[in-house]
Amino acid sequence: DTAVSQTPKYLVTQMGNDKSIKCEQNLGHDTMYWYKQDSKKFLKIMFSYNNKELIINETVPNRFSPKSPDKAHLNLHINSLELGDSAVYFCASSQDYGSGGANEQFFGPGTRLTVL
Amino acid sequence: KQEVTQIPAALSVPEGENLVLNCSFTDSAIYNLQWFRQDPGKGLTSLLLIQSSQREQTSGRLNASLDKSSGRSTLYIAASQPGDSATYLCAVRSQGGKLIFGQGTELSVKP
Repeated sequence: DTAVSQTPKYLVTQMGNDKSIKCEQNLGHDTMYWYKQDSKKFLKIMFSYNNKELIINETVPNRFSPKSPDKAHLNLHINSLELGDSAVYFCASSQDYGSGGANEQFFGPGTRLTVL
Repeated sequence: KQEVTQIPAALSVPEGENLVLNCSFTDSAIYNLQWFRQDPGKGLTSLLLIQSSQREQTSGRLNASLDKSSGRSTLYIAASQPGDSATYLCAVRSQGGKLIFGQGTELSVKP
């Protein structure tokens, strides 16, 4: 069973379009994250949600809107796509976001978004 | 602001060698530190997690150490194999649960 899954794996679209990426975790975790990996392979946090509530928003343009219908899902909707949005987007989850416990983060396989 | 640096950026070694990857961070107020492996075009696989109160963790041929006061961690790989070739990422976890990543070390183990 896949712990953290993302769909689609690849997404190719035109500038100006709106697209969504879905993420699901079956680990029973409370906290989920979206990270962006740019062309230089640098990974950076975008958002985190704990039990459907936004915890972190790292000054991401408001064209990006995460939505968490329940604590097992965190979807990412992107409006008016731009060339600079091309990247690999990773979803991750952890037990919670507090300081207690090990709180290992588990990552999905990534979604490679290409904006033409 | 937390910054994570990994040295070297790339490393090529012959099979069988022991090697050390380095990670440094600027703010010692971390919850934990995680080492990941990323194969080309793939996701991240968690290798080891060291809690802020721990000094090291071991898993098979991998040993990770943490010196929080000096802001350093090392990942030691014993008897390297071609299958170890990948990019190794170090990440520190701080407030809010977010991970702050280094740029990674691209390891190539030659047969």
